Amino acid sequence: EDKVVQSPLSLVVHEGDTVTLNCSYEVTNFRSLLWYKQEKKAPTFLFMLTSSGIEKKSGRLSSILDKKELFSILNITATQTGDSAIYLCAGEANAGGTSYGKLTFGQGTILTVHP
Amino acid sequence: AAGVIQSPRHLIKEKRETATLKCYPIPRHDTVYWYQQGPGQDPQFLISFYEKMQSDKGSIPDRFSAQQFSDYHSELNMSSLELGDSALYFCASSLEGSGTGELFFGEGSRLTVL
Repeated sequence: EDKVVQSPLSLVVHEGDTVTLNCSYEVTNFRSLLWYKQEKKAPTFLFMLTSSGIEKKSGRLSSILDKKELFSILNITATQTGDSAIYLCAGEANAGGTSYGKLTFGQGTILTVHP
Repeated sequence: AAGVIQSPRHLIKEKRETATLKCYPIPRHDTVYWYQQGPGQDPQFLISFYEKMQSDKGSIPDRFSAQQFSDYHSELNMSSLELGDSALYFCASSLEGSGTGELFFGEGSRLTVL
């Protein structure tokens, strides 16, 4: 059974701090690792990672994948109160061909950023 | 830009009743996914459809069924509802072959079973 584990489960920081969120995965026929940010509504897409060692950046957020050790990290620098959310990582299994497989989500990391 | 539309947003049912959730994907998206997220839980994949055919199946109970119609909208039918079915049900859509891996999620339908 595919499994994705995130840590820490909860993190409380002050504005300006840097945080690192961890995600380890065991996904059969792994194809990609995705990060989502979930506030009160639907998860919003952050990154998709398919290759090891290549950092993806978007503003203050960055992420990298290690396919040998089966984990990924999400870094947020100079955190702001608007970064407060649940951060979900998900492993995607290859369903064959060009079809996207199902995602197995981790339990999420609840990030709270205080002013 | 148009997003994934789910209806109803909130639904209250009693045990053993039936509920139907609808999902309208982003125009031109051909793949629809259903996820169930219980209170404090991570989203669990239920089922997906590509071009109106079921493409993958996850932890969907036998009491649930789903289909994708010719206009690509999808419906999730839940029968003999149980208290444990209370959850937020997300629908997501994607464009097959887009290469981005991005699923666009709807805002969810919150089902409460009393």
